[in-house]
Amino acid sequence: NAGVTQTPKFRILKIGQSMTLQCTQDMNHNYMYWYRQDPGMGLKLIYYSVGAGITDKGEVPNGYNVSRSTTEDFPLRLELAAPSQTSVYFCASRDLFLRSSQETQYFGPGTRLLVL
Amino acid sequence: DQQVKQNSPSLSVQEGRISILNCDYTNSMFDYFLWYKKYPAEGPTFLISISSIKDKNEDGRFTVFLNKSAKHLSLHIVPSQPGDSAVYFCAASDNIIQGAQKLVFGQGTRLTINP
Repeated sequence: NAGVTQTPKFRILKIGQSMTLQCTQDMNHNYMYWYRQDPGMGLKLIYYSVGAGITDKGEVPNGYNVSRSTTEDFPLRLELAAPSQTSVYFCASRDLFLRSSQETQYFGPGTRLLVL
Repeated sequence: DQQVKQNSPSLSVQEGRISILNCDYTNSMFDYFLWYKKYPAEGPTFLISISSIKDKNEDGRFTVFLNKSAKHLSLHIVPSQPGDSAVYFCAASDNIIQGAQKLVFGQGTRLTINP
């Protein structure tokens, strides 16, 4: 199992450009999440999905869009990049049913985005 | 409004000693708490968790304590090892069984273990 994979690892965008951050998981998890982490801060939830075709907003959704057409993939779209979106983006996934008392989300390695 | 706070940005501990990382929360609806460990250029990895029906959970060298009345939890690592040097995040969620586990994270504490 590769777990949760994210591409690209690093990207520089100009203000106003758009891009899609890719996230794929091979664990057949129903739940998937996108977080951003700003320097010196904790992770903040952008969007999440409870299954294919179902997405919902998290704490900081403005400026982003998501889609979930398959169980495996959960891309994050930035339409008009702004300097405030400079951050590290983490994708995560979680199983639907509690298998043990230690339920957790599994995180990808992150995408570092710089908007200039 | 910071619902989960880790007030110590950094902590330095001698190898072999106990490391204690602290976390406070304000939302009384939180019923599940987790600690994640993060190395540079990697995603967070799960360390240990605790449900609000318990006040202690142990896993090897790691123990998490929950004080619901004080809205405070702590992570104890004993003995501390050089490989424990990382950033530790406290996270919380509500409605763990039925809900989507929308985690709220603290700012993190950078732990450095000195040989």
